[in-house]
Amino acid sequence: EAQVTQNPRYLITVTGKKLTVTCSQNMNHEYMSWYRQDPGLGLRQIYYSMNVEVTDKGDVPEGYKVSRKEKRNFPLILESPSPNQTSLYFCASRREGLNEQFFGPGTRLTVL
Amino acid sequence: AQKVTQAQTEISVVEKEDVTLDCVYETRDTTYYLFWYKQPPSGELVFLIRRNSFDEQNEISGRYSWNFQKSTSSFNFTITASQVVDSAVYFCALNIGWGSNYKLTFGKGTLLTVNP
Repeated sequence: EAQVTQNPRYLITVTGKKLTVTCSQNMNHEYMSWYRQDPGLGLRQIYYSMNVEVTDKGDVPEGYKVSRKEKRNFPLILESPSPNQTSLYFCASRREGLNEQFFGPGTRLTVL
Repeated sequence: AQKVTQAQTEISVVEKEDVTLDCVYETRDTTYYLFWYKQPPSGELVFLIRRNSFDEQNEISGRYSWNFQKSTSSFNFTITASQVVDSAVYFCALNIGWGSNYKLTFGKGTLLTVNP
């Protein structure tokens, strides 16, 4: 089944404790991205990747890192999480030349 | 820069009523795509429709219909005979396709509550 998976789905952590949210897609898509969703703000793009080893900032990249060492994986790294990074995070992927993005199920992160 | 406005923050209706969710967009590009997503209480994003800027035909899918009007930069979504299962947050989104990073610009969402 074609899908985007994220892990973990739920995470409660404390300020400053490094964490990684994984994202994996099995559709051989070139493009992947991360969004965060906050009440009253909709979804905003954090980072995106056009292909392996090609990443760039979205609209709200501060406090986040990403890497794209393999085509299927696009982890989101929070080196020192802070409470303002409490949010619902979505990973998405799309195939080059097509304009439909496939979203993962979301990761609900709480930073205390 | 792109912008999507969903002026209705919350809508509450009684089952079987028709309801229209408004979406107004801004872009300078002539080629762009518009989307609607549904986010039920479980949290996942469910793709509903994609429309490109060259296709102004309205679309109907069961109880759902979409009205795209370039003249007013609107892409409104109507649910006919609403049901409790339609209760969700609905997002309108825009991207300008190739040549960009394919970023989706989302509206802030409209929370629809359908009461029995």
